[in-house]
Amino acid sequence: DIQMTQSPSSLSASVGDRVTITCRASQSISIYLNWYQQKPGKAPKLLIYAASSLQSGVPSRFSGSGSGTDFTLTISSLQPEDFATYYCQQSYNILGTFGQGTKVEIK
Amino acid sequence: EVQLVQSGAEVKKPGESLKISCKGSGYSFTTYWVGWVRQMPGKGLEWMGIIYPGDSDTRYSPSFQGQVTISADKSISTAYLQWTSLKASDTAMYYCARLVAVAGTYADYWGQGTLVTVSS
Repeated sequence: DIQMTQSPSSLSASVGDRVTITCRASQSISIYLNWYQQKPGKAPKLLIYAASSLQSGVPSRFSGSGSGTDFTLTISSLQPEDFATYYCQQSYNILGTFGQGTKVEIK
Repeated sequence: EVQLVQSGAEVKKPGESLKISCKGSGYSFTTYWVGWVRQMPGKGLEWMGIIYPGDSDTRYSPSFQGQVTISADKSISTAYLQWTSLKASDTAMYYCARLVAVAGTYADYWGQGTLVTVSS
């Protein structure tokens, strides 16, 4: 099984901050890495697929990078609506595992 | 507009059976995989399994193989998740999602979730 490890598990940040979340795979997954945002009581929302492709309708302040085992989600200027939990998910396997999540809270 | 609409919340007793549904609209239901994701209270996301409604090809995550059954009725564009004997540990939110199989796979549309509560 491919394990996905996100860091940090949580972070506190202010509106306007640049925020970076990392995701590490236990083996190489090429670029098969997706990022989702989940707000309390809501379904997850796709932000980034294939490591760096921005899903249609997602603001350009979100970006993804990486390949192999190390990946990054960056929010260039945190907005009030971005406070949420973020999950990475590998799609190297068709039922690819999720990371444990990173909760982004208001500082 | 692509939509996945799930059936409503359920409260069941241990040992009871249950089938929840996910109805797709706004796209060709038979040409995209549909998956089910479990989220236990306060926890993360887990893929349970997926089905390709076009031919009913079904895959399960090892943790869920034999524990649930995923099916689909393409005539009414609906996927199902079924239990024959619920346990308290099945208490969770369950989401369905449409999967795009390009550059790996990703879930681009999600249902609103079905909360299943199992309690005696």
